[in-house]
Amino acid sequence: ELKVEQNPLFLSMQEGKNYTIYCNYSTTSDRLYWYRQDPGKSLESLFVLLSNGAVKQEGRLMASLDTKARLSTLHITAAVHDLSATYFCAVDIIAGGGADGLTFGKGTHLIIQP
Amino acid sequence: ETGVTQSPTHLIKTRGQQVTLRCSSQSGHNTVSWYQQALGQGPQFIFQYYREEENGRGNFPPRFSGLQFPNYSSELNVNALELDDSALYLCASCLQMNTEAFFGQGTRLTVV
Repeated sequence: ELKVEQNPLFLSMQEGKNYTIYCNYSTTSDRLYWYRQDPGKSLESLFVLLSNGAVKQEGRLMASLDTKARLSTLHITAAVHDLSATYFCAVDIIAGGGADGLTFGKGTHLIIQP
Repeated sequence: ETGVTQSPTHLIKTRGQQVTLRCSSQSGHNTVSWYQQALGQGPQFIFQYYREEENGRGNFPPRFSGLQFPNYSSELNVNALELDDSALYLCASCLQMNTEAFFGQGTRLTVV
């Protein structure tokens, strides 16, 4: 059974600081996703990481993937209040073309304070 | 905007009742998945439909069922509602199986 673990689950930080969210998964995966969710809202796709060593950046967020370590990171640079949200990583496995859906972590609830 | 719309946005049902949730995918997206997200948790995969047939299922009982129609719309049906079915239900569509999924805004179901 595929397991996806995120840490920390809760993070309170000050504006202007840097921090990293970690996502570990338990088995070989073809793709890793990062999503953002605002309270009561749906999931907004942030990044899709497809290969070992992939790095993607959008604004103050940067995501990376190490498939050998089964680890992805989401790094926040010089945080601003607007980045307060819950961040999920998700993994999917292509198992002979079968449809197993995405397996999500429990999410990291991020609060950025002025 | 992802082009995936769900209805209704909120719904209150009584334990034991049945409910149908609807999703309209982007044109051309022949794969749709449904997820259940309990409060404070990550979404959990319910099932996936590809070209109108269920082709994958998570750990959900048979009272969770679905349909997909040729016009890129789909339904999630839940029978014999239980209190624990209270959650945000998300549908996601993909252009092809195992390509990036785009999520709708969700339906918040409350079972009382």
